[in-house]
Amino acid sequence: EAQVTQNPRYLITVTGKKLTVTCSQNMNHEYMSWYRQDPGLGLRQIYYSMNVEVTDKGDVPEGYKVSRKEKRNFPLILESPSPNQTSLYFCASRPIGGLGYTFGSGTRLTVV
Amino acid sequence: KQEVTQIPAALSVPEGENLVLNCSFTDSAIYNLQWFRQDPGKGLTSLLLIQSSQREQTSGRLNASLDKSSGRSTLYIAASQPGDSATYLCAVPKGGSEKLVFGKGTKLTVNP
Repeated sequence: EAQVTQNPRYLITVTGKKLTVTCSQNMNHEYMSWYRQDPGLGLRQIYYSMNVEVTDKGDVPEGYKVSRKEKRNFPLILESPSPNQTSLYFCASRPIGGLGYTFGSGTRLTVV
Repeated sequence: KQEVTQIPAALSVPEGENLVLNCSFTDSAIYNLQWFRQDPGKGLTSLLLIQSSQREQTSGRLNASLDKSSGRSTLYIAASQPGDSATYLCAVPKGGSEKLVFGKGTKLTVNP
């Protein structure tokens, strides 16, 4: 089944403890993105990648890192999480050619 | 700057009613528009993608139209069912970038 898989689905962590949210797609898509969703603010892009080793900042990149070493994987790294990074995170991918995005099921992160 | 607005923010209808959800965007230089459905606490499911050269797309009971010149799209749901209850989001790519700009969504409740 063609899909974008995020892990974990739920995560509670403490301030300052490094964490990684994984994202993997099995559709050979070139483009991948990370979004966060917050009440009243909607969905905002964190980072995106246009292909292996090509990444760029979105609207809210502060406090996050990404890497794209393989085409299928696009992990989101929080080096020192803070409570304001408590949010619902989505990974998405799309192929070249103007076609739409496929989103993962989301990761609900709570930083205490 | 691309801004996407969805009206109404919430809508409650009786089962069986036909309904229209609205999406407007400020920059008409888009190459596609995508409608998504989001169930509470869940991921985004792509419903329809309309390319800029198209006027409408249909999938089952759903029909989406696009009028680039006026900066509007509508999602028509025929014969609504309780299972259609969800938040519906529209999104357009920001010109020249890989960022999707989302509306805040319309929360639809279909009452049995």
